[in-house]
Amino acid sequence: QVQLQESAPGLVKPSETLSLTCTVSGGSVSTNSYYWDWIRQPPGKGLEWIGSIYYSGSTYYNSSLQSRLTISVDPSKNQFSLKLSSVTAADTAVYYCGSHAAYDSVWSSSPDWGQGTLVTVSS
Amino acid sequence: ETVMTQSPDTLSVSPGERATLSCRAGQNIRSNLAWYKQKPGQAPRLLIYDASTRATGIPARFSGSGSGTDFTLTISSLQSEDFAVYYCQQYNNWPITFGQGTRLEIK
Repeated sequence: QVQLQESAPGLVKPSETLSLTCTVSGGSVSTNSYYWDWIRQPPGKGLEWIGSIYYSGSTYYNSSLQSRLTISVDPSKNQFSLKLSSVTAADTAVYYCGSHAAYDSVWSSSPDWGQGTLVTVSS
Repeated sequence: ETVMTQSPDTLSVSPGERATLSCRAGQNIRSNLAWYKQKPGQAPRLLIYDASTRATGIPARFSGSGSGTDFTLTISSLQSEDFAVYYCQQYNNWPITFGQGTRLEIK
């Protein structure tokens, strides 16, 4: 069973860069079966898709974050990562790594999302 | 961007009764819709994909239906663990988008 686990940066200062890593265990980040996703949830609010990456390196970004966002994949570490620059208090949220199937037949083996990590932007 | 609108925002239902949650897409998304359940302090969990297929380990009391723009999640006989927030998500086109969520509470 594939499992996802986010790193835990915790506190980030305004104007700095938020960096998160998701480690994939029990499977390969280089699979063509899934897109690897980042999703966030501000306290008390709903889910916001941040962006996704495919094993080929193709990336898809939320247009509202695109100018500050980089998502990458590191096959050697079996990880994918998020970097969000110039953060403000509005970026305070629980950040989740997840996935969604690239084609129908693999949905049944989709991994659960990571447990989530709270990132607080504050000086 | 495909806007996803869920209704109602909050649904109050008694245990053992049936709950029906709705999700409407702003454009045709075929059957490329997922439903997630989120309990307080937990990550969302996949319930339904392709609009109507239950994910692994999801009880049969959960069912999904619809295609195109209108979708429904039905829980046939509510158990205590079903009271949570439910989100729909479209993955037919980029950007992926979520509905605002429906809170299912005990009546």
